[in-house]
Amino acid sequence: EVHLVESGGGLVQPGGSLRLSCTASGFTFSSYWMSWVRQAPGKGLEWVANINQGGGERYYMDRGRFTISRDDAKNSLFLQMNSLRAEDTALYYCTREQDGRYFDHWGQGTLVTVSS
Amino acid sequence: QSALTQPASVSGSPGQSITISCAGTSSDIGGYNFVSWYQQHPDKVPKLMIYDVSRRPSGISDRFSGSKSGNTASLTISGLQAEDEADYYCSSYGGTNTLVVFGGGTKLTVL
Repeated sequence: EVHLVESGGGLVQPGGSLRLSCTASGFTFSSYWMSWVRQAPGKGLEWVANINQGGGERYYMDRGRFTISRDDAKNSLFLQMNSLRAEDTALYYCTREQDGRYFDHWGQGTLVTVSS
Repeated sequence: QSALTQPASVSGSPGQSITISCAGTSSDIGGYNFVSWYQQHPDKVPKLMIYDVSRRPSGISDRFSGSKSGNTASLTISGLQAEDEADYYCSSYGGTNTLVVFGGGTKLTVL
């Protein structure tokens, strides 16, 4: 069974940084694109970033402040978030992606709150 | 403002059919057959219901169907059941610049 478990969320001040992690199990992690998708409180879904198998291709909703990476040896996905703003407050989901076409498995999410 | 446009809400009675539209452009929905739909119950994780416009993942009821015409995709739910009450989001591949776009979501109420 596919399992995605996020961690690393929390309360951070505007301008601060946070590193989210996602540990995957139940599938061959290195064979899949992976994505981060976020959902602000009471709002819709918003794609944040994705990374291909091996990490050679990375795409971002907002290039510059966020960096996605992966460690296939540890079945882990990461999202480094810098210069955080109040509008980045959201539940961040780790998702398994099918080549940009759809997201077939989602984690439970980790909550990021940006506030002073 | 979301890249794809969905109605904020739709409703139907048990047993009826409803359709949720998702309007995009030739750069996303109209340009690729990579539309997907997700169901999200309150405080739950989104669940994939339809992918590649009209394909259903294993375990998804055939009451759920998807289609596309031009720049607009649609999700149809037939034989509405109380458990179908949820938020529904469409998504599309948007090319190498935008990559993935979502709709703003539609709240389905089963009367």
